Amino acid sequence: DADVTQTPRNRITKTGKRIMLECSQTKGHDRMYWYRQDPGLGLRLIYYSFDVKDINKGEISDGYSVSRQAQAKFSLSLESAIPNQTALYFCATSETGGRVYNEQFFGPGTRLTVL
Amino acid sequence: GEDVEQSLFLSVREGDSSVINCTYTDSSSTYLYWYKQEPGAGLQLLTYIFSNMDMKQDQRLTVLLNKKDKHLSLRIADTQTGDSAIYFCAEKKDSNYQLIWGAGTKLIIKP
Repeated sequence: DADVTQTPRNRITKTGKRIMLECSQTKGHDRMYWYRQDPGLGLRLIYYSFDVKDINKGEISDGYSVSRQAQAKFSLSLESAIPNQTALYFCATSETGGRVYNEQFFGPGTRLTVL
Repeated sequence: GEDVEQSLFLSVREGDSSVINCTYTDSSSTYLYWYKQEPGAGLQLLTYIFSNMDMKQDQRLTVLLNKKDKHLSLRIADTQTGDSAIYFCAEKKDSNYQLIWGAGTKLIIKP
């Protein structure tokens, strides 16, 4: 079974709709991250969390919100989706105080299309 | 700035060596990483190098770090079709838990 899972894997929605992307992990990691990937732009950090109830803005948090109510779950919401939020979204996890090189473990991604 | 730059594409023949290059701007970076993204999958850590090292070798992979020029490279020897993927360079600064990512280099293998 995958250690980091994301649901849904694909979603098509309309402008103005509220969307929630879910991430679950069985790795027991405290740190979780949401990224978006756009062609030619690499990964950009949206939000990150170092523990339950801890929320930090990343590079591009506008238009997004997150919730971390359990160690294993980190959800990303688009309150009112717009077309330029069409992208591939990745959840990732990492250990606190683990190996010093701080590897991040990624989910398989959610492809979101906003029409 | 905090840009990490990579070429978007690299095409090599099967069996040749692939060299993927990356430049970064922050000399305070402590770790530099190469992640691999296979089609339809998330990213996986391929290898990393600590900033006080010049080179790291792991089987077919060789990472070279030139701190003076802020240049990182990944060499894949005897490139195979299974190496087809997007390779991301990333840097981690000591004072910041975030990773700064390059745009990714898509490695295309020609038969």
